[in-house]
Amino acid sequence: GAVVSQHPSWVICKSGTSVKIECRSLDFQATTMFWYRQFPKQSLMLMATSNEGSKATYEQGVEKDKFLINHASLTLSTLTVTSAHPEDSSFYICSARRGADTQYFGPGTRLTVL
Amino acid sequence: SQQGEEDPQALSIQEGENATMNCSYKTSINNLQWYRQNSGRGLVHLILIRSNEREKHSGRLRVTLDTSKKSSSLLITASRAADTASYFCATDPYSGNTPLVFGKGTRLSVIA
Repeated sequence: GAVVSQHPSWVICKSGTSVKIECRSLDFQATTMFWYRQFPKQSLMLMATSNEGSKATYEQGVEKDKFLINHASLTLSTLTVTSAHPEDSSFYICSARRGADTQYFGPGTRLTVL
Repeated sequence: SQQGEEDPQALSIQEGENATMNCSYKTSINNLQWYRQNSGRGLVHLILIRSNEREKHSGRLRVTLDTSKKSSSLLITASRAADTASYFCATDPYSGNTPLVFGKGTRLSVIA
């Protein structure tokens, strides 16, 4: 089946630094990818929709200048958390839709900001 | 934004018992999906039920969908300790390039 990968699977960084997370669709092209965030013991919250070749669409309350999304190709979207702070510590999950019904999720990236 | 609520928020049962989780949503859907997530891990897709379907089975899983009440239920029969996880429903509002919208989830604990 189709696979979506994320890299890195976990990252620890110092407050104030930037972190880039990659999301790749391994065996299909994805014109649209989605980025979710999940805090401990909570559900997944959609952060933004990443569109290949155009600007991402952000959900209300998500700062576009803090969470930079680039969808440079049909198989790669990146999320950069700029000037990370401890409150940005979370589990970040990407997904890509293939066809009308099927959406594939990456394994997630755990970000810890010290 | 989240589509709706799941209940219960937490459920603790003995091994061998059945576990039922419910999900309500607010808008029209194309399909509804159930996912499982072990603590600190990624999502595992369990089952998808389309808006024109009322019931679906997969192994020990049984999902129902009532579009008139905008609700769904997930039944896990003969539960096992390994079923301990969080379970989320996710609604797909349209066909096409739209994201899934997740419910708040139910934390299931199966005690051996």
